[in-house]
Amino acid sequence: GAVVSQHPSRVICKSGTSVKIECRSLDFQATTMFWYRQFPKQSLMLMATSNEGSKATYEQGVEKDKFLINHASLTLSTLTVTSAHPEDSSFYICSAFRTADTEAFFGQGTRLTVV
Amino acid sequence: QKEVEQNSGPLSVPEGAIASLNCTYSDRGSQSFFWYRQYSGKSPELIMSIYSNGDKEDGRFTAQLNKASQYVSLLIRDSQPSDSATYLCAVRRTGGGNKLTFGTGTQLKVEL
Repeated sequence: GAVVSQHPSRVICKSGTSVKIECRSLDFQATTMFWYRQFPKQSLMLMATSNEGSKATYEQGVEKDKFLINHASLTLSTLTVTSAHPEDSSFYICSAFRTADTEAFFGQGTRLTVV
Repeated sequence: QKEVEQNSGPLSVPEGAIASLNCTYSDRGSQSFFWYRQYSGKSPELIMSIYSNGDKEDGRFTAQLNKASQYVSLLIRDSQPSDSATYLCAVRRTGGGNKLTFGTGTQLKVEL
């Protein structure tokens, strides 16, 4: 079964509002989680690395004040898209590694549509 | 030059044939290599991982790695229509933590 759960799977919001996406590791603790964004017919682009108990590390070109990441516990990271605009419409995916594993597990993804 | 390059396809193969997917990477510090399958609208799922030169087989799938040539491939034997998806190559570099860099993916179509 799924080891990383992401919620919601789909959300539609109005332009200017904020949306929060949750990513949970179900049966393991994840000190680090990753947030990706995928536009249609493009690959996954890493947005930021979420670190438990400390600030997230953002990739170049990603606005940290627009994409707020909180990793308050070892099993939960949240991504908040603030003041969303239509160009933020995308597929957002989180991932995490189990300590004993070397492969990433992905959440189910969140399809965000900003209207 | 992109860090991870794949032919976007689509690659069309008849059912039962061998599908060959290729990937090249630019960072010689890359240490781990992964193939993910992604169906439309879904998140990626891991197919194969490979860490050392040579071949690694798992069922109908074989991953091949050549670090000298900075090349990794995925062979799918006895291709099935259910294999139709986009295949993403991902690499992780030494000292990069667990960050993955993805290629743009190759769309595979297995035709009846």
